Amino acid sequence: RKEVEQDPGPFNVPEGATVAFNCTYSNSASQSFFWYRQDCRKEPKLLMSVYSSGNEDGRFTAQLNRASQYISLLIRDSKLSDSATYLCVPDTGRRALTFGSGTRLQVQP
Amino acid sequence: DAGITQSPRHKVTETGTPVTLRCHQTENHRYMYWYRQDPGHGLRLIHYSYGVKDTDKGEVSDGYSVSRSKTEDFLLTLESATSSQTSVYFCAAGGDRFEAKNIQYFGAGTRLSVL
Repeated sequence: RKEVEQDPGPFNVPEGATVAFNCTYSNSASQSFFWYRQDCRKEPKLLMSVYSSGNEDGRFTAQLNRASQYISLLIRDSKLSDSATYLCVPDTGRRALTFGSGTRLQVQP
Repeated sequence: DAGITQSPRHKVTETGTPVTLRCHQTENHRYMYWYRQDPGHGLRLIHYSYGVKDTDKGEVSDGYSVSRSKTEDFLLTLESATSSQTSVYFCAAGGDRFEAKNIQYFGAGTRLSVL
């Protein structure tokens, strides 16, 4: 089983829609999680950190389900500028992080 | 601005030639990383460093070597470039995980084409 699995998408949604992505992880030792966003041909940038059951930052909400070993990212009121690939990253306590391959979101006018 | 600079940003080279990519950081992060990103594979770790002269291999380290002689610089060398090493290379840096935030910040990437 892969350490991190994400639906590659693309998720095509209209502006204003609510969209959610799931990310499953295999290492139950993962204590914290990160969501990064990566625009086309750009570097990944940190979107959100999750250290407990979840986190909320404006239109973005991350929820962690440790029993089922998945973390979700919910985006409300989608904007065209939200179009990007979203990378899920569990922190297992090792020095290096393992990045998911990402879920591509395309917000359409 | 994460304070991480990669050079060169673009490079075209020929098979069999040596190539060195440079990563420079200004935030005094202890950890530095080199990744490659290819379609369908996401980010894959090549090598990382946990201090000056302390490095370790990642999942795709064959054909690559690294060096870190100063906290701020982390070099990635392809001793003899092959076409399979055509990729986008990202450098990242982050703090000591014992500072409770194992967050990585990325440079803008280097696009390498090996012909």
